[in-house]
Amino acid sequence: DSGVTQTPKHLITATGQRVTLRCSPRSGDLSVYWYQQSLDQGLQFLIQYYNGEERAKGNILERFSAQQFPDLHSELNLSSLELGDSALYFCASSLDRGRPNTGELFFGEGSRLTVL
Amino acid sequence: SQQGEEDPQALSIQEGENATMNCSYKTSINNLQWYRQNSGRGLVHLILIRSNEREKHSGRLRVTLDTSKKSSSLLITASRAADTASYFCATVRGNDMRFGAGTRLTVKP
Repeated sequence: DSGVTQTPKHLITATGQRVTLRCSPRSGDLSVYWYQQSLDQGLQFLIQYYNGEERAKGNILERFSAQQFPDLHSELNLSSLELGDSALYFCASSLDRGRPNTGELFFGEGSRLTVL
Repeated sequence: SQQGEEDPQALSIQEGENATMNCSYKTSINNLQWYRQNSGRGLVHLILIRSNEREKHSGRLRVTLDTSKKSSSLLITASRAADTASYFCATVRGNDMRFGAGTRLTVKP
């Protein structure tokens, strides 16, 4: 158990809909990362938050947005869903005390999104 | 790009044999990390090697880093069926961590 909690584990929805994925980082971790993994693909970095503020942005579509709340949990919002958005969405956290991140990431078990 | 590329994409060996996976990248990095993913599960950190290190060991794992060639290798010795998983390298540069597409390792009993 990594200590990172993601909900829901599975989600099935239709094209055009909007969903919210939730992540609770390990206790004490300030950084949260979101990654997308399509079938048999590597992980695509979406976005990173540190202590409530956006720190780095990757290949995140404009239809997607995220935020990190004062209690450090994070949500990833996916809107106007398309078939190609079907994927595993991972959240990871790290301690990362303000310096450039050099440490390991702790991953949740992912949220599997299926868009029909 | 900074993103690592693993080689081979897939590797199948017999239990007891050694498995070697390679990772190449194109820019300077602060460190390189290896992760393991069992099918459909979250990634688990295996080992981190800093840019000023050349080799690290952890149990049956041995990682090397050659910054002049911008490459790293992960060696798993005396493999077990339970080592069957995908293995990813992740390159870190500043605040940015990027993962490669992974090597799918199958260890046959």
